[in-house]
Amino acid sequence: EDQVTQSPEALRLQEGESSSLNCSYTVSGLRGLFWYRQDPGKGPEFLFTLYSAGEEKEKERLKATLTKKESFLHITAPKPEDSATYLCAVQDINQAGTALIFGKGTTLSVSS
Amino acid sequence: DSGVTQTPKHLITATGQRVTLRCSPRSGDLSVYWYQQSLDQGLQFLIQYYNGEERAKGNILERFSAQQFPDLHSELNLSSLELGDSALYFCASGMGGEPQHFGDGTRLSIL
Repeated sequence: EDQVTQSPEALRLQEGESSSLNCSYTVSGLRGLFWYRQDPGKGPEFLFTLYSAGEEKEKERLKATLTKKESFLHITAPKPEDSATYLCAVQDINQAGTALIFGKGTTLSVSS
Repeated sequence: DSGVTQTPKHLITATGQRVTLRCSPRSGDLSVYWYQQSLDQGLQFLIQYYNGEERAKGNILERFSAQQFPDLHSELNLSSLELGDSALYFCASGMGGEPQHFGDGTRLSIL
């Protein structure tokens, strides 16, 4: 059964204090791994897609990396506006359709 | 703005009732997905439609049904509502393995 586990559940950082969020996944065949950001009262906002081990993507203070078993979202010198819940999801190439299987998310709080 | 529109934003109703949630996908997207988000379960896939046809089913209850119309908008129908159906319902649209883009959801409260 496909599974996505994110850790930690919650993370508190000081502004400028870099850290990483982890996403461990089990899938029969990986079509893609997706990172989303979700603000309270809003829908998930797409950040990155990673397709194969070794791939990296960057956007401003965020960098996503992928191995065969997990993905990391590295946050460099975070700012208060980076506070949100970060969601990881996978698509299984062997499943019918192209639905996303989500982890429960990491809630990040950045204080100034 | 993701380009995905969901209405209504909030729904308050009673147990046993039936409601309809509506979703307009991004221009050009043929797939519509419905997800349910609750505090303890996170985001759970319910059902996918592609160009009017059902493509995949997830953890969707028999009391729930959906359809996609020729103009590609979709509706999720929830009937015989129970307290446990209170949740956020999200619609997403996309094309194949491309990233899905989400609306801002409908918050359903069952009293």
